[in-house]
Amino acid sequence: NAGVMQNPRHLVRRRGQEARLRCSPMKGHSHVYWYRQLPEEGLKFMVYLQKENIIDESGMPKERFSAEFPKEGPSILRIQQVVRGDSAAYFCASSPTGFHEQFFGPGTRLTVL
Amino acid sequence: RKEVEQDPGPFNVPEGATVAFNCTYSNSASQSFFWYRQDCRKEPKLLMSVYSSGNEDGRFTAQLNRASQYISLLIRDSKLSDSATYLCVVTGDTGRRALTFGSGTRLQVQP
Repeated sequence: NAGVMQNPRHLVRRRGQEARLRCSPMKGHSHVYWYRQLPEEGLKFMVYLQKENIIDESGMPKERFSAEFPKEGPSILRIQQVVRGDSAAYFCASSPTGFHEQFFGPGTRLTVL
Repeated sequence: RKEVEQDPGPFNVPEGATVAFNCTYSNSASQSFFWYRQDCRKEPKLLMSVYSSGNEDGRFTAQLNRASQYISLLIRDSKLSDSATYLCVVTGDTGRRALTFGSGTRLQVQP
């Protein structure tokens, strides 16, 4: 049973470009969470999604960031017009329900030049 | 005040030592509690859940004190492979399942 998969593992963007981060949850998991870890800081919750629904986006920046988890395919975290402060590791986690442990993917390291 | 507070360390201990980490959380409505470990900025991996009755998994023992909003992790007979950052993690009330992470305590086990 494959674990949580994220791609790309490393992403380099110039300021003003768009970044798309993908997350495929573990098989049988329909709950997906995105977290961000800034350099030298702890992980911070961004958004919680179920298939086709955003359940909790209280940790998402109000502008430039969006997330989706379509009926088919991976969850996508989209960052428009990236700035240097967006450089971070973005981790996705999945869970079979909203009340079980969350299992993390290897992360996408975004570098904004 | 941070929602989850941990001593950042680092804790430098010799192999075979016993080491204890502590953590406090501010939300009295928190429902679930965990210790995760993170190696060199890789993904966090669940070490163990934490229950009020206390729980043990091999060399690791975790304890929760809801009245004091305090969580602990004890590692006995430390191994070199235990070197990592240990993250104290809580969830919110039943309506909020997002994990809230402490900043982590770094452990370095010396040969």
